[in-house]
Amino acid sequence: EVQLVESGGGLVQPGGSLRLSCAASGFTFSISSMNWVRQAPGKGLEWVSYINSIMTDIRYANSVKGRFTISRDNAKNSLFLQMNYLRAEDTALYYCAKGLTGTNPDSFDIWGQGTMVTVSS
Amino acid sequence: QSVLTQPPSVSGAPGQRVTISCTGSSSNIGAVYSVHWYQQLPGKAPKLLIYGTSNRPSGVPDRFSGSKSGTSASLAITGLQAEDEADYYCQSYDNSLSAWVFGGGTKLAVL
Repeated sequence: EVQLVESGGGLVQPGGSLRLSCAASGFTFSISSMNWVRQAPGKGLEWVSYINSIMTDIRYANSVKGRFTISRDNAKNSLFLQMNYLRAEDTALYYCAKGLTGTNPDSFDIWGQGTMVTVSS
Repeated sequence: QSVLTQPPSVSGAPGQRVTISCTGSSSNIGAVYSVHWYQQLPGKAPKLLIYGTSNRPSGVPDRFSGSKSGTSASLAITGLQAEDEADYYCQSYDNSLSAWVFGGGTKLAVL
């Protein structure tokens, strides 16, 4: 079964850090581009970050640039998002999502169930 | 304020046809970039509905179709069913932002 499973969310104070993980299965992770997309409570979707299969092309939304770092471990079929200097406005459900074709720019054909990040004192 | 503009809500009776618009600009939809559509059922993750402006992934009924003209795109749903009640999002790429962008989402109500 093709699957993405996120973990690592939780409650963190403003200025704190959190590391999200996404475990992939059922498809060839090592040739797939990957993304993080977030959704604040009751709000729409916001793309956060992109990484290509060989980690040579990495991009961030302006809202997280300089604070978040995307990475991947192809040997372990895993995607990560290191989030530093967290703000209240980063509170959201964070989804990892697979690029459909591996080319750029791409649609997102597989989504995880999301992991909730709450930034509050 | 989303880069792509969608109506907040649309509605239709079972069996009817509805369309959802997505308006962008020359740096996204009006450029060479495709438009993609996602369906998000209540409490669920988004699901890819249309990719490459008008292509349906395997398993998506042909009641769903997409099109694009100029700086706008549309999602059409024919033969509306109760199970189609969901939020729908358009997506494209913006070359001035160097970012993937989503519309604000449209809530579809089946009356």
